[in-house]
This record gives sequence, structure tokens and C-alpha cells, in this order.
Amino acid sequence: DVKVTQSSRYLVKRTGEKVFLECVQDMDHENMFWYRQDPGLGLRLIYFSYDVKMKEKGDIPEGYSVSREKKERFSLILESASTNQTSMYLCASSFREGGRTDTQYFGPGTRLTVL
Amino acid sequence: AQRVTQPEKLLSVFKGAPVELKCNYSYSGSPELFWYVQYSRQRLQLLLRHISRESIKGFTADLNKGETSFHLKKPFAQEEDSAMYYCALITDKLIFGTGTRLQVFP
Repeated sequence: DVKVTQSSRYLVKRTGEKVFLECVQDMDHENMFWYRQDPGLGLRLIYFSYDVKMKEKGDIPEGYSVSREKKERFSLILESASTNQTSMYLCASSFREGGRTDTQYFGPGTRLTVL
Repeated sequence: AQRVTQPEKLLSVFKGAPVELKCNYSYSGSPELFWYVQYSRQRLQLLLRHISRESIKGFTADLNKGETSFHLKKPFAQEEDSAMYYCALITDKLIFGTGTRLQVFP
């Protein structure tokens, strides 16, 4: 079974803090993704990565950055957390097939609250 | 533009009633589509993908290229089907719809 783990299930931070969300997958997937999930807005892609040290902006990258130093690990960084970044954050991974993503496997999510 | 539209935010039915969750897409290439499901307090997981043409938990979905649709159907809803359902289109990433919450009442 594919396993995608996220470092925290719940996180509470203060405005202006730097926040790190970690994601690890154990299936040697090339692709990794960070989404945020908000009611009525569905899943919105923040950043994704095809390979180590590679990153691509998604639909809503503002206020976020990412790091992929190892194939199995993909970190999402909030440089200076703001209250509008309060959300559920989902990590996913997949193989890459013919230039497209294959089935994505999701982590359990991190519910971040910024006060 | 590449887009997935799920027009219903909430769909409520009684147990045993048929269910159809609507999904329309916009894509210039050959589409490949998924349905993902998220049960309460569980992670998002794949329900089915159109290329496998299989039925999972009694759900089926047929790709209609003429109507650019990939609606999810089940003839007899069960209470355990209550969940959030997302339609998604494959490109170099997954493009998700905004989701439909299905509530099945006893």
C-alpha cells in the first residue's frame, strides 16, 4: 500500500510565524503535490514537483514556497503565516506517465490554524 | 482553458434512491478523468478512473466526449455513501472540481 504521511494533523500558529509542513511518501513516486482544501472551493494546487530540486507553481502559490531535497520528501513553507492561510493542507504523490500525472495518493491532511 | 465543473455543492437523497453526481470538463486534448471520494475523517482516495471502466462500491461513471461529461452514478444509494466527491481531470497535474457533498438519509 502506498503511504503518504504528513508531519502534523493539527497545527496552530501565530500571524507572522514561519511554518513548515512536511510530507513523506514511500513509493518512489516522481511527482509530489501540495493542495489546500477549503469549503466551497475544493482542492487548489499550491505547488508541485516532478523531481528532486524541481518545483512548479500551481494555481495559488502566493505566500508559499516549497523544498524537495530528497525524492521522498516535499516540504511546504509559509514564510510569514497570515490568517487567510488557515486551511486544510493536503499532500499527494504519484508516478509520472508520459508527461502526465498518474493516480495521486493523498496524505491525511494538516489542519492549520493561524491566529 | 482546462476546467472541471461540479455544479452541485450538495446532493441529498434517501437510502435506496438513485444518485447522479454531475461533472463537466473543458480540455482540448484526450481527457482522462477520475472520481475521488473523502469520507468523514478519512483521507481523500481514488474511487474510480474512466480508463478502467469498472464499478467500485456500486458506482460507475461513463465518459461522454460529446457532452464533455463524466457523471458518477449509483442506482441505489446507501448511507455509507455519504461523503465528499471530487471529479478530477489529468493533465501534467490533476485539476479538481469544487466537489459535491452527498448526503444519504435513512
